[in-house]
Amino acid sequence: DAGVIQSPRHEVTEMGQEVTLRCKPISGHDYLFWYRQTMMRGLELLIYFNNNVPIDDSGMPEDRFSAKMPNASFSTLKIQPSEPRDSAVYFCAIGRGVKSGELFFGEGSRLTVL
Amino acid sequence: AQKITQTQPGMFVQEKEAVTLDCTYDTSDQSYGLFWYKQPSSGEMIFLIYQGSYDEQNATEGRYSLNFQKARKSANLVISASQLGDSAMYFCAMREGDRDDKIIFGKGTRLHILP
Repeated sequence: DAGVIQSPRHEVTEMGQEVTLRCKPISGHDYLFWYRQTMMRGLELLIYFNNNVPIDDSGMPEDRFSAKMPNASFSTLKIQPSEPRDSAVYFCAIGRGVKSGELFFGEGSRLTVL
Repeated sequence: AQKITQTQPGMFVQEKEAVTLDCTYDTSDQSYGLFWYKQPSSGEMIFLIYQGSYDEQNATEGRYSLNFQKARKSANLVISASQLGDSAMYFCAMREGDRDDKIIFGKGTRLHILP
């Protein structure tokens, strides 16, 4: 079964602090995606990886955001320094490279920046 | 330019009625895929249905069907015999090209099923 574990589930931090969101896929996949969800903008694709290599990071808002995937079982999304407008739910999702392209989502990390 | 457009921010439908959620898309690729996801109030994203651009028949999965009109670039989701548990946010999404990558989402439609 496909599965994605994200941590933390909730994070409240103050403006200017560094935030690190984690994603652990627990089954085989070829692709890993980071999405951000807000009421105003819906689900935005931030970056995605294929076989641990970043393919498209054009959705990353600015240099304060960075993402890494050091191996197939782990990815991080880092915001430094954080700002109130970064408050959102951040989803990690995996895809298996099959034509149907179904994504398996984690439960999301809800970030609040005060 | 927005590639996936969902024009209905919110809808209210009586239980047991059929529901059509609109989705139009924009792509110059010949090969692409279209998806619908459901997001209940609990927040998880649930895959509902997939339609490939070369599929000749409309996709169906239980009470869900995708009304694919290629020339009009529309991929509406139809839910038959709606249930209270169908109340949720619904997202239309598209994968461009032949590969399983760069899946982008519309802004969603919030569906409310009334008892």
